[in-house]
Order: sequence, then C-alpha cells, then structure tokens
Amino acid sequence: AQTVTQSQPEMSVQEAETVTLSCTYDTSESNYYLFWYKQPPSRQMILVIRQEAYKQQNATENRFSVNFQKAAKSFSLKISDSQLGDTAMYFCAFGGRDTGNQFYFGTGTSLTVIP
Amino acid sequence: NAGVTQTPKFRVLKTGQSMTLLCAQDMNHEYMYWYRQDPGMGLRLIHYSVGEGTTAKGEVPDGYNVSRLKKQNFLLGLESAAPSQTSVYFCASSYLPWEQYFGPGTRLTVT
Repeated sequence: AQTVTQSQPEMSVQEAETVTLSCTYDTSESNYYLFWYKQPPSRQMILVIRQEAYKQQNATENRFSVNFQKAAKSFSLKISDSQLGDTAMYFCAFGGRDTGNQFYFGTGTSLTVIP
Repeated sequence: NAGVTQTPKFRVLKTGQSMTLLCAQDMNHEYMYWYRQDPGMGLRLIHYSVGEGTTAKGEVPDGYNVSRLKKQNFLLGLESAAPSQTSVYFCASSYLPWEQYFGPGTRLTVT
C-alpha cells in the first residue's frame, strides 16, 4: 500500500521569509507523480506544483520549489518570499500508474504567514 | 468554462435519510473521483471512475454508491446516512490519472 506522511501538523513563517514543508512517502512503484496542493480557508483545493518521479530535476513554479529525493522517498516544498496569501493547509499527494489511478494524500500541514 | 462544480454546497441530513451529491465537469475529462475530508485525516478516496459507465472502489467505499451514466457527471449516493458520514466531500476530475482538478466541496452534516 502507498502511504504519504506529513510530520508537521502546523508551521508558521514571517512574511517574506522562506519555509520548507516536509513530506515522505512509501511505495514500491517506479513510475509515479508527486503533488503539493494548497487549501486556503475557502476550502478550494489548488494544485501548487507537481513532480514526475522519472525526472531528476526538481520542479519549480515561481516562489514554490520542491526538493525531490527519490532514494529517500522525500518530497519537500519550499516557499520563498512568503506572502500572507500563502496561509493555508498544504497537502502532499502521491499518484502512481500501478495504484489503479488512485491518489493518496498526506494529513496536511497548516501554514500561517505572520505579518 | 465552469471547471468542476458540486451540488449542493451544504446539506444537513437525519440518520437514515438518503441523498445524492452531484458532480459535473465541463473539461471532457475521463477520470472522476469522490473524496471525503475529515479533520486530521487529509483526503480519502471513496470511489472513482475511469470513464463513462465505469466505477471502482477507493479506500473508504462502505456506505456509498456511485454512478457515471454521462461522461460529465459523477453521482455519489448515501442510501442510509450515518453520523460517521459527516464530512466535507470533494469531487475531482482529470484527463490523465493525475493532476486532478477539484470542485468547491460539499459540507454534509448527519444528525
């Protein structure tokens, strides 16, 4: 079975600073994708960034980047120049070809950006 | 282009009542999913569909049924609601079996 673990239930960061959210996963698959989703107070799930497991280069989307360590099965999210609008729950998710098209989500990290 | 929509947004049921949640997408996606979100547990997959007329069980399917008679719609049914089904329900769709697009969610309370 696939598992996704987020060990930081809550985090805070000062505005304009950098913060890193951790995620580890367990799988026996070799072909899979990893995602970070953001859920603001509006409850809408928003895709932040995705990483294909076969790509060695870490994905980057503007202020968001990941540190993908395939051997360690680690997938952390770095948010640079944090903004008040980044305050949200962040979920790490795993999706693999062999899992029957199922997604597995972590339990989430609640991030608060402090003015 | 509305994306993924869910009806209703809020609902209160009494134990034993039945209801159907409707999910609609206008992106011509093959894959559709129903999740429930509970505090401290992230999102858990209830059922999913890989195309019109097909459905499959996810991680927590008990107490729920689904149907996908039209490609754009995915219905989630509760035949006899229980307090344990109080949750926020999300529908999602995708063209490939990843990079899912989510609806706004439905908050269901069963008393």
